[in-house]
Amino acid sequence: GQSLEQPSEVTAVEGAIVQINCTYQTSGFYGLSWYQQHDGGAPTFLSYNALDGLEETGRFSSFLSRSDSYGYLLLQELQMKDSASYFCAVRSGGYQKVTFGTGTKLQVIP
Amino acid sequence: DAGVIQSPRHEVTEMGQEVTLRCKPISGHDYLFWYRQTMMRGLELLIYFNNNVPIDDSGMPEDRFSAKMPNASFSTLKIQPSEPRDSAVYFCASSLGQLHLIYGYTFGSGTRLTVV
Repeated sequence: GQSLEQPSEVTAVEGAIVQINCTYQTSGFYGLSWYQQHDGGAPTFLSYNALDGLEETGRFSSFLSRSDSYGYLLLQELQMKDSASYFCAVRSGGYQKVTFGTGTKLQVIP
Repeated sequence: DAGVIQSPRHEVTEMGQEVTLRCKPISGHDYLFWYRQTMMRGLELLIYFNNNVPIDDSGMPEDRFSAKMPNASFSTLKIQPSEPRDSAVYFCASSLGQLHLIYGYTFGSGTRLTVV
C-alpha cells in the first residue's frame, strides 16, 4: 500500500518562509503533487514533481528526492491568506490513482 | 468554464435514508473521481471512472455505496441505507488524461453530508 507522512500543524510568521515536509512509502511511484485547501473549501492543485529537484512557481516551490522518498513544499513571503491545509499526494498503484497525505495545517500569524 | 459542479452543497438526512450526490465534471475531462474527506481518515479515494467506465472501486467502503456515470457530463454517488459514520464531505474531481500530472485534479466544492 501507500503511506505518506506530513506534520499535522505548522505555525509561521507573516513574511517569513516555511517548509512543509512529506515522506512517502509506495510502490510504482510516478510523482508527488501538492494541494492547498482552505477551511470549508476544495483542494486546489499547487505543483507536481516527477523528477528530483526544485520546481518554482511564484512564492511556492516544491522539491523532490526520489532516492529519499521525500519532498517538501516551500512557501516564501508568507501572507495571511496562505493559512490553509496543505496536502502532499503520490500517484502510484494505478496510473490515475492518487493517494493524499493527512495534510498539514499552516497557520500564518502577524 | 464553470468548473466541477456538485450538488447539493449540504445534505442532512436520517439514518437509513437513501442519499444521492451529484457531480458534473469539466467538459472534455475524461477522468472523474469521488473522494471522501473526514478528520480521522483524510481524503480517501472511493472510485474513479475513465470515459464513463468505472476503473477502480476498491475504495468504496461497502455495498451500501454505489456510483454511476451514465454519460460524460454526469455522475452520482449513492448511499443506501445511510449511517451516521457516513457523515463526511464528499468531493468529486475531474482531470484530462495525462495532463493531471501537470495541472492536477480539479475538485468540486464538495457535498457536506450529515447523517443523524
